[in-house]
Amino acid sequence: AQKITQTQPGMFVQEKEAVTLDCTYDTSDQSYGLFWYKQPSSGEMIFLIYQGSYDEQNATEGRYSLNFQKARKSANLVISASQLGDSAMYFCAMREGNSGYSTLTFGKGTMLLVSP
Amino acid sequence: EAQVTQNPRYLITVTGKKLTVTCSQNMNHEYMSWYRQDPGLGLRQIYYSMNVEVTDKGDVPEGYKVSRKEKRNFPLILESPSPNQTSLYFCASSTRVGISYNEQFFGPGTRLTVL
Repeated sequence: AQKITQTQPGMFVQEKEAVTLDCTYDTSDQSYGLFWYKQPSSGEMIFLIYQGSYDEQNATEGRYSLNFQKARKSANLVISASQLGDSAMYFCAMREGNSGYSTLTFGKGTMLLVSP
Repeated sequence: EAQVTQNPRYLITVTGKKLTVTCSQNMNHEYMSWYRQDPGLGLRQIYYSMNVEVTDKGDVPEGYKVSRKEKRNFPLILESPSPNQTSLYFCASSTRVGISYNEQFFGPGTRLTVL
């Protein structure tokens, strides 16, 4: 079974609108971390936002927020007020356990295109 | 500037010709890792290292070797590259921070083509 599932291969949104990118995860660990990365066409991986399994509040970083629903095992990324520069591939990833070292498991990604 | 560097950034080679992709970080991180990215598959871990002289296999280690002789360097070695190793490769590093937060810093990527 996939540990990270991103069901949307591609998403389209108009500039200034909000968009939600879906991510569901599968783990039996009580302690885990969820990450979102952005990969523009230039190829680099840019860290966006992090949510710990014990964090009671949803994480926010500027225009990015993470809609964390622990019981549903979902960690959707919400981008408010989309900008043309948000067009990129977005990856959800999970780190299981609390050693601080364990592997990041990535989803297959969602391509976001923002139109004027 | 804190960073992870990889060299080369682009490489075209032929089947069977040994190659090494270097990775270096200047953040004194204990943990380093290699991933490959293929269309429709996301990133998959090849090998990782928890510290000097400590390495272990990730999800797709076949055809690759690594070494960790110094804390800052973690080269990826392809002894006999094959076309199915054509991919985009990322090196990443992190330190152990607290219980759960552990951001991984990624290098810029190496695009490898094996003919």
